[in-house]
Amino acid sequence: EAQVTQNPRYLITVTGKKLTVTCSQNMNHEYMSWYRQDPGLGLRQIYYSMNVEVTDKGDVPEGYKVSRKEKRNFPLILESPSPNQTSLYFCASSSGRGYQPQHFGDGTRLSIL
Amino acid sequence: GNSVTQMEGPVTLSEEAFLTINCTYTATGYPSLFWYVQYPGEGLQLLLKATKADDKGSNKGFEATYRKETTSFHLEKGSVQVSDSAVYFCALLYNNNDMRFGAGTRLTVKP
Repeated sequence: EAQVTQNPRYLITVTGKKLTVTCSQNMNHEYMSWYRQDPGLGLRQIYYSMNVEVTDKGDVPEGYKVSRKEKRNFPLILESPSPNQTSLYFCASSSGRGYQPQHFGDGTRLSIL
Repeated sequence: GNSVTQMEGPVTLSEEAFLTINCTYTATGYPSLFWYVQYPGEGLQLLLKATKADDKGSNKGFEATYRKETTSFHLEKGSVQVSDSAVYFCALLYNNNDMRFGAGTRLTVKP
């Protein structure tokens, strides 16, 4: 079954404690991206990756890092989380940038206290 | 810049009611337009799409027509069901790489 898997699904943590949200896809997609979803703002792109070792900033990259060492994995790293990063995060993948549909994971709800 | 504006929710309807969720866009040129749906606890799924003016996208009883003259892509369904309760996102894709989502509209359908 085609899947984008994110972990964890829920996390409550404290300011400044580094965390990583993992994302893995089993469709051999080249393109992967991270979004955050906030009320009234919809989805905003954080980072994207066109292929292994190729990443670029989206609209709201501040405070986040990503890496793409393997095609299937695209972790999102918050080195020093702050309360304004409390949000619902989605990982997505597709065959190429702009190619639709994108396949989304089920989301990770982060609360930074 | 490119952007999407959709009607604020939440929208609450009774089963079998007619649904319209308005969406308008701003873009130079001719973007592709999409509706994505997010069911509770899940990620977004593509519902329908239209790639050029006057195209009509349809799926699962939902329809939307790409109207260039009014820069709109309103989502409609003639008779909603409880299972249609979800958040609906209008989106545009410009130049095959710039994807923009609207803020989302939450729909609740009551039996």
